[in-house]
Amino acid sequence: GDSVTQMEGPVTLSEEAFLTINCTYTATGYPSLFWYVQYPGEGLQLLLKATKADDKGSNKGFEATYRKETTSFHLEKGSVQVSDSAVYFCALSKRGNTGKLIFGQGTTLQVKP
Amino acid sequence: GAGVSQSPSNKVTEKGKDVELRCDPISGHTALYWYRQSLGQGLEFLIYFQGNSAPDKSGLPSDRFSAERTGGSVSTLTIQRTQQEDSAVYLCASSLRPGTGGNEQYFGPGTRLTVT
Repeated sequence: GDSVTQMEGPVTLSEEAFLTINCTYTATGYPSLFWYVQYPGEGLQLLLKATKADDKGSNKGFEATYRKETTSFHLEKGSVQVSDSAVYFCALSKRGNTGKLIFGQGTTLQVKP
Repeated sequence: GAGVSQSPSNKVTEKGKDVELRCDPISGHTALYWYRQSLGQGLEFLIYFQGNSAPDKSGLPSDRFSAERTGGSVSTLTIQRTQQEDSAVYLCASSLRPGTGGNEQYFGPGTRLTVT
């Protein structure tokens, strides 16, 4: 079945370091891909998305490119801040389906000053 | 405008009791989803509503779990005869355009259920 795999966490970085969180997926057809973020004490919120191959989603300095050839959607940020500390979830949904999201297991990011 | 709201925010119940969890979606959102977030299983889809119908119930873990939606708005998730493995955070999300590319779901804050 369809699935999403994320790199194991937690990831601990110093402020201004470069961030990569790996995400790969298995799905038939052409899913849409998402990164959701959960800040401490808050609900899940959409960070960015991409709906077709080679699309790049971006928001708040974060970027991810939909790579069909490697079935990946890695999250990157050039310079992290303490305020980026959160849990990040990669997810997919199938077009023409119910729109339900299939999530990866989540990666905890801790940024230290 | 108001986001997705859920109540209660926390619920502690004894094993064997029934519980009801409520979700108020964003006004005008026809699609509503329930998910469960637990330490062992991560974030799992439970059920999807389009209007008042539930065309996808594939994620409900057992027949102790049921859900309904009335007036195309409020939804209630009911767990009967709760078990300790039901302890989790139950998340509700709503969406304006389900099934299309880039379907964005808006999540509520969740209900943390603890079964003792």
